[in-house]
Amino acid sequence: GAVVSQHPSWVICKSGTSVKIECRSLDFQATTMFWYRQFPKQSLMLMATSNEGSKATYEQGVEKDKFLINHASLTLSTLTVTSAHPEDSSFYICSAKTREGPGTQYFGPGTRLLVL
Amino acid sequence: KNQVEQSPQSLIILEGKNCTLQCNYTVSPFSNLRWYKQDTGRGPVSLTIMTFSENTKSNGRYTATLDADTKQSSLHITASQLSDSASYICVVSFSGGYNKLIFGAGTRLAVHP
Repeated sequence: GAVVSQHPSWVICKSGTSVKIECRSLDFQATTMFWYRQFPKQSLMLMATSNEGSKATYEQGVEKDKFLINHASLTLSTLTVTSAHPEDSSFYICSAKTREGPGTQYFGPGTRLLVL
Repeated sequence: KNQVEQSPQSLIILEGKNCTLQCNYTVSPFSNLRWYKQDTGRGPVSLTIMTFSENTKSNGRYTATLDADTKQSSLHITASQLSDSASYICVVSFSGGYNKLIFGAGTRLAVHP
């Protein structure tokens, strides 16, 4: 149980285009989903926290107008990288927290974004 | 400042050998400590999770220890296999704010035949 999926697993796009990444909790309801970014040989950096039905909370230094997050349901959150630039190329990972108890975060497999 | 430091940064061992990875943290208030395995290009997968009152937790060939007094944890891998090659990340949960996780930089382990 507790499977989190991401789609797509990788994407290549031209500079200036927007890219949407989906994160789904497949077999549980997630009260909260998290979006992370990971650069090569570095650890995960939290970008934002999203709760179903409310606005996302962004970490300091993360532009909310550039990284749009929509937590439409208890099983789906989307991250849209708007007007992507080469410096946005990274590995984006989501995680979902289970509804009950203190909540364990389960991570998705990640989405590799390459902006040309 | 809430920090998690891991050592070594990287490690090479021969297949079948044992190894121990270290994690020191200064996170307070502390909720729990987790070890994750992250294969290249994949998301982290949970290996163990320990609360303040637990000092050891095993998952197959992986054994994690926790000393909450000295704020140190270790992950011991027994009889390593080629598939153990990955990054191992120590993550401490900060109970002061909505289950926020503090990530270590990870130890990159390479198991050679």
